[in-house]
Amino acid sequence: DAGVIQSPRHEVTEMGQEVTLRCKPISGHNSLFWYRQTMMRGLELLIYFNNNVPIDDSGMPEDRFSAKMPNASFSTLKIQPSEPRDSAVYFCASSPLAGGPREQFFGPGTRLTVL
Amino acid sequence: GENVEQHPSTLSVQEGDSAVIKCTYSDSASNYFPWYKQELGKRPQLIIDIRSNVGEKKDQRIAVTLNKTAKHFSLHITETQPEDSAVYFCAATDSWGKLQFGAGTQVVVTP
Repeated sequence: DAGVIQSPRHEVTEMGQEVTLRCKPISGHNSLFWYRQTMMRGLELLIYFNNNVPIDDSGMPEDRFSAKMPNASFSTLKIQPSEPRDSAVYFCASSPLAGGPREQFFGPGTRLTVL
Repeated sequence: GENVEQHPSTLSVQEGDSAVIKCTYSDSASNYFPWYKQELGKRPQLIIDIRSNVGEKKDQRIAVTLNKTAKHFSLHITETQPEDSAVYFCAATDSWGKLQFGAGTQVVVTP
């Protein structure tokens, strides 16, 4: 198994541009999580999906952020328009849903820099 | 919602000594407490976890203890080695099953 796959690994963009981050969870995992990591705020949960359905998006900072999961093997996190304060490492993680809370497997992350 | 506090923020130990990291949580419904290790530039990876029906769990040099009454749990690393140097995060589930992470502890093991 390749693990959780994220793309791109690095993204540098200018303020105001649209950014799309992509994630492929581990096959068979029903839960998918998007996190943002910064030195100041640590590891923050932005949104998570169970069986492709968004369950809790209370961590999404504002309307500029949106996430979708059109099928069990793909999710996107979009920022439009991007701002310098969005610069961070964005992690996607997945876990099995059955059996209660389980280990979350993190992807390699996307390092986003907004100039 | 759940609030997880983690101490200390940095920990420097000599190789061979033990390291202890402590976390407290606020939601009495929390029932799953994982610990993640994150090396510089890498992703967080689970090193050990414990559920609320267990008070202690050990895996080689790593152990975790849980005190549900006091709402705190701790990570113990014995016989530390340079490769143990990393940031360690504790986490706890809230009543919705969502993980809340602590702020992290930077552990530095000096030879």
